[in-house]
Amino acid sequence: ILNVEQSPQSLHVQEGDSTNFTCSFPSSNFYALHWYRWETAKSPEALFVMTLNGDEKKKGRISATLNTKEGYSYLYIKGSQPEDSATYLCAFAQAGTALIFGKGTTLSVSS
Amino acid sequence: ETGVTQTPRHLVMGMTNKKSLKCEQHLGHNAMYWYKQSAKKPLELMFVYNFKEQTENNSVPSRFSPECPNSSHLFLHLHTLQPEDSALYLCASSDRLAHPYEQYFGPGTRLTVT
Repeated sequence: ILNVEQSPQSLHVQEGDSTNFTCSFPSSNFYALHWYRWETAKSPEALFVMTLNGDEKKKGRISATLNTKEGYSYLYIKGSQPEDSATYLCAFAQAGTALIFGKGTTLSVSS
Repeated sequence: ETGVTQTPRHLVMGMTNKKSLKCEQHLGHNAMYWYKQSAKKPLELMFVYNFKEQTENNSVPSRFSPECPNSSHLFLHLHTLQPEDSALYLCASSDRLAHPYEQYFGPGTRLTVT
């Protein structure tokens, strides 16, 4: 059974803090790694899709890295703002398979 | 309307009721998905339709019956549900011809079975 693990499960930071989360996934038959942001009562929103080992993606203050050989991805948020409060989901796919999601990391940013 | 829409947003039903969840995508995609999210669990894939054909059924009980009449609409018919079926049901769509393909989600239907 393929498993995607995310850590930490939740965290609380102060406005302006930088933070990062981890996503661990099986390293065999890698196809793609997705990050989503999911705010309460809204649709999960795609942040990044990464396919190549060593990929780095950036969108504003949020960035992500990918290591397919060891099976992990990091999501970084620089200078957290209250509007960054959300659950961040990681999803992994092997070739020809559907996405397998982790349980997510719930971030709360206080002003 | 843009993106992926779902109706209703909230649904309360008894165990003997029959109801349907509706999903519509306005993105021109060719694949649609139903996911279930229960408390403290990751998103669980239920069904996948590619080009209107069901290609995946993740051992979902028969009290959940999907229907995909065209590439823009997806239904989930519910009958004789159990209280443990109470969850958030999310619909998603994607372009399976893209590489890699991204999934776009609707806001979900919060289902409560009493």
